[in-house]
Amino acid sequence: DAGVIQSPRHEVTEMGQEVTLRCKPISGHNSLFWYRQTMMRGLELLIYFNNNVPIDDSGMPEDRFSAKMPNASFSTLKIQPSEPRDSAVYFCASSLPGLAGRTDTQYFGPGTRLTVL
Amino acid sequence: DQQVKQNSPSLSVQEGRISILNCDYTNSMFDYFLWYKKYPAEGPTFLISISSIKDKNEDGRFTVFLNKSAKHLSLHIVPSQPGDSAVYFCAASPRLGGSEKLVFGKGTKLTVNP
Repeated sequence: DAGVIQSPRHEVTEMGQEVTLRCKPISGHNSLFWYRQTMMRGLELLIYFNNNVPIDDSGMPEDRFSAKMPNASFSTLKIQPSEPRDSAVYFCASSLPGLAGRTDTQYFGPGTRLTVL
Repeated sequence: DQQVKQNSPSLSVQEGRISILNCDYTNSMFDYFLWYKKYPAEGPTFLISISSIKDKNEDGRFTVFLNKSAKHLSLHIVPSQPGDSAVYFCAASPRLGGSEKLVFGKGTKLTVNP
């Protein structure tokens, strides 16, 4: 079991550039979550998908952020244009379907550390 | 407004002693609670969970206690080991409401000294 795979592990970019973070969930998991971790706000949910469909994007900070899940094995989180305040660690997580459609444990990837200069 | 609060940013204990990590929540809709453990440069990993129909769940050295009336839960680690040194996140979910969302606290950094 390869676990959740995220790429790149580290990204350094300049303000105004486009950033794309990638995630491959665990095979067979049907829910995928994007989180952001900062010192100030801790670990916060940005968006989650169920069966490739976005269910809740209320945590997406602003229109500069967008996420897609074109198929069950791939998702992207894009920031355009990036700003220094976007610097954080971004985690992707996936989970299995649970009882009556409710999911259980979320399995996290290793994260992408983003630095925007 | 934080719905899940971990008021102690850090905790230091001696090896072999008990570690108690605390978590408070404000949302009455939360009915499922989890603890995650995170090592540096890794993603959080699931540790233990508890449903609101229980007040205690035990797994080896780890026990989670839930006090619904106080909206408080705690994680006990007995005995503590140096390998337990990590950041511990408390998380809550309104699972019975059909949501898959987890709301996390900011974490408590546990250091277990040999």
